[in-house]
Formats: sequence, C-alpha cells, structure tokens
Amino acid sequence: EDQVTQSPEALRLQEGESSSLNCSYTVSGLRGLFWYRQDPGKGPEFLFTLYSAGEEKEKERLKATLTKKESFLHITAPKPEDSATYLCAVQALSTDKLIFGTGTRLQVFP
Amino acid sequence: DTGVSQDPRHKITKRGQNVTFRCDPISEHNRLYWYRQTLGQGPEFLTYFQNEAQLEKSRLLSDRFSAERPKGSFSTLEIQRTEQGDSAMYLCASSPLGLNTGELFFGEGSRLTVL
Repeated sequence: EDQVTQSPEALRLQEGESSSLNCSYTVSGLRGLFWYRQDPGKGPEFLFTLYSAGEEKEKERLKATLTKKESFLHITAPKPEDSATYLCAVQALSTDKLIFGTGTRLQVFP
Repeated sequence: DTGVSQDPRHKITKRGQNVTFRCDPISEHNRLYWYRQTLGQGPEFLTYFQNEAQLEKSRLLSDRFSAERPKGSFSTLEIQRTEQGDSAMYLCASSPLGLNTGELFFGEGSRLTVL
C-alpha cells in the first residue's frame, strides 16, 4: 500500500536557525513527490514537484531533495512567515490521486 | 479572484441530515478533486473528475457520499444521513490537463460540523 510518513510532527525554530523536514515514502512506482504548504484554516498551497532520485528544487529559503525512499525539505535561515504546516504527498504511476502525509507543523520564533 | 471557490465555508448540521457542498474550479481546469481533512491529518482523497467524468473514487468512501460535475464546470459533493464521523474540512482542488497532475490548486475548504 502506498504510504507517506513525515517527521517530526512539530518543529520549533528560532528565526535564522536552519533545519530539515523528512518525508519517507513507499509507492508502487513513483510518478511524482509533492510538497505543499498549509496555513491554518486554508487549503494547501503547492510548492514543489520532484520526479526522480537526485532531483532538487529551490524556492526562496526552501530546498527540496529526493532519494529513492525519502525526500527532505531544507529550510535555510527561516523567518516567522515560514511558520505553517508542510505536507508531503506522493502520486503513483497508476493513478492521479495524491497520498498525503500528516504534515510537519513548523513554528519560527523571532 | 480566479482561484478555486467553495461554498459554504462552514456548515453545522444535526446527525442524520443531508448536506451539499459546491466547488467552482479555476476556469478551464479540466480536473477537479475532492479531499477530506481532519484535524492533525493530511488531506485524504475522496474522488476526482476529468471534465464531467468521475474517473476515480476512494474505496473508503461510503455510499452516503456522492459527487457530481454535470457540465464539467462546478462540482457538488453530497453527504446523506450525516454522522459525527463526517465532521471534517472538505477540500476541493483543480488542475489543468497536463503532465504535472499532482500540482493542485486548492480552495479554502468547507468545514462540516455534525452535532
């Protein structure tokens, strides 16, 4: 069964303190791995798509990487506005649906 | 605003009542998805449409749930005989037809509370 596990569940960082979020996955043929950001009371907002091991994508202070078993979302010098829940999802070759993890709730303090 | 629109944003109902949610996707987006999200969990896939055709439906979806997209534009999700376990945020998302079918544009959701 396709599955996504994210860790840690919650992360508290001081502004400027870099860290990484982990997404471990099992899928029967990976079509793509996706990172989304979700603010409280809002729908998820797309960040990145990764298709194959070794691929990397960057956007401002965020960088996503992919291996055959996991993905990392690296946050460099975070700011309070980066506080949100970060969701990882996988899509198998045989379907168009996304399987989401439970997310990592990030809080960045000034 | 040309984003995904959902209505109502909040719905409180009594157990056993029927509820219906509406989703207006981004215009010209062929694909429309419904997900459900409970507190502390990630979104859970319910069903999706390509134009007016319902192409996939979750095995976990009770027969009390039905979704339609009659003209390939807006969609409705109806829950019959609601139960307390149906309380959740119901998220709609759309995407254009293309290679990157995992890049979804989500609405702000319809929050259902069943008393």
